[in-house]
Amino acid sequence: QVRLEQSGGGVVQPGRSLRLSCAASGFTFSRYGMYWVRQAPGKGLEWVALTSNDGASQYYAASVKGRFTISRDNSKNTLYLEMNNLGPEDTGVYYCAKDLAAATTLIFDFWGQGALVTVSS
Amino acid sequence: SSELTQDPAVSVALGQTVTITCQGASLRSYYASWYQQKPGQAPLLVIYEKNRRPSGIPDRFSGSSSGDTASLTITGAQAEDEADYYCSSRDSSPNYVIFGGGTKLTVL
Repeated sequence: QVRLEQSGGGVVQPGRSLRLSCAASGFTFSRYGMYWVRQAPGKGLEWVALTSNDGASQYYAASVKGRFTISRDNSKNTLYLEMNNLGPEDTGVYYCAKDLAAATTLIFDFWGQGALVTVSS
Repeated sequence: SSELTQDPAVSVALGQTVTITCQGASLRSYYASWYQQKPGQAPLLVIYEKNRRPSGIPDRFSGSSSGDTASLTITGAQAEDEADYYCSSRDSSPNYVIFGGGTKLTVL
């Protein structure tokens, strides 16, 4: 079955960096676009970033563009989110998610368990 | 970017029918998807492409759309349907996603 196992969350000081990972199994990882979605405490969902199946294309929400980098290693079936210059507004649970189809549908049919990122001094 | 607007909270009596709506300009061009999120859990896709259900989602969940409004209907709501529900769609920029603010469904 499809599994997305996340790691890398934690507490980080403002201005510092953090990398999240999402290890995929149960499907042909290299065929699907992958996403990061976050949720601030007590708030709604916010799409963060998208990478195409081959990693050649990336798209970012305006709130993270220039600070966050989404990438993937298809040989390791792993998705990453490199987060730089973090601020308190980046605090929340970060989810990785898989595209529904082997095309960019922007529909998320499987989600990781989430990783809590807390930006605080 | 566009916005999707949802009512913050809706309630339904056990076994009754409830409709959760999502309004936004992008819905005139793109279908909505709907996600269910229970406390402490990751979201779960329940409806996509207006009215398609992923495997394992009960058929009491259905979707519809008209103009700039998408709707999620639960026919015969169960206690386990109590959750937050989020709509999403493509934004006006093709590879961007927007979410509604979420609707908290209470089953009485």
